[in-house]
Amino acid sequence: QVQLQESGPGLVQPSQTLSLTCTVSGGSISSGSYYWNWIRQPLGKGLEWIGRIYTNGRAGYNPSLKSRVTISLDTSKNQFSLKLDSVTATDTAIYYCARESQGYYWGQGTLVTVPS
Amino acid sequence: QAVVTQEPSLTVSPGGTVTLTCGSSSGAVTSGHWPYWFQQKPGQAPRALIYDTFNKHSWTPARFSGSLLGGKAALTLSGAQSEDEADYYCLLFSSGVRVFGGGTRLTVL
Repeated sequence: QVQLQESGPGLVQPSQTLSLTCTVSGGSISSGSYYWNWIRQPLGKGLEWIGRIYTNGRAGYNPSLKSRVTISLDTSKNQFSLKLDSVTATDTAIYYCARESQGYYWGQGTLVTVPS
Repeated sequence: QAVVTQEPSLTVSPGGTVTLTCGSSSGAVTSGHWPYWFQQKPGQAPRALIYDTFNKHSWTPARFSGSLLGGKAALTLSGAQSEDEADYYCLLFSSGVRVFGGGTRLTVL
């Protein structure tokens, strides 16, 4: 069974770049027809889809975040990553990675705080 | 970008049946929106219950089912149990992107 684990700094300063990595185990990130997603959830609020990248490297993003987001694959490490530029306190949230294809498999999430 | 709407809150009696719905501002929800349903309990990551309208994960209890109903995606819970009290989110594919609904808080009381 596939497992996903988010990692990265828990604190990012305003105007800096948030960088997170999702490590995938139990399957190759470059095989199969999968979408690799990033989702976030401000504490006490709902889920927000950030974007996803397909196995072939083609990415799609939430239009409201598109100008600041980059999602990429690192097949050598079996990881995919999220970069979010110019963060503010409103980017404080739990960030989840997930695999999508005939189902949805989530990581446990990681809290990222951007102080105001 | 379409806005995806869900009931903010619903209450169901133990053993009862409840239907949660998921609508789109862009029009009727169809199988082409590839609807997903997720359950989230406090302090936990969400977990998928239904994918592609009506398909279940191996861990999805039989009492949950997905469908299309009246132009919306629907999640029906038949025979509610106390452990079903949670937040439920739908996810639609619309205009090339995925969009979450605002979530429904389901109370079993």
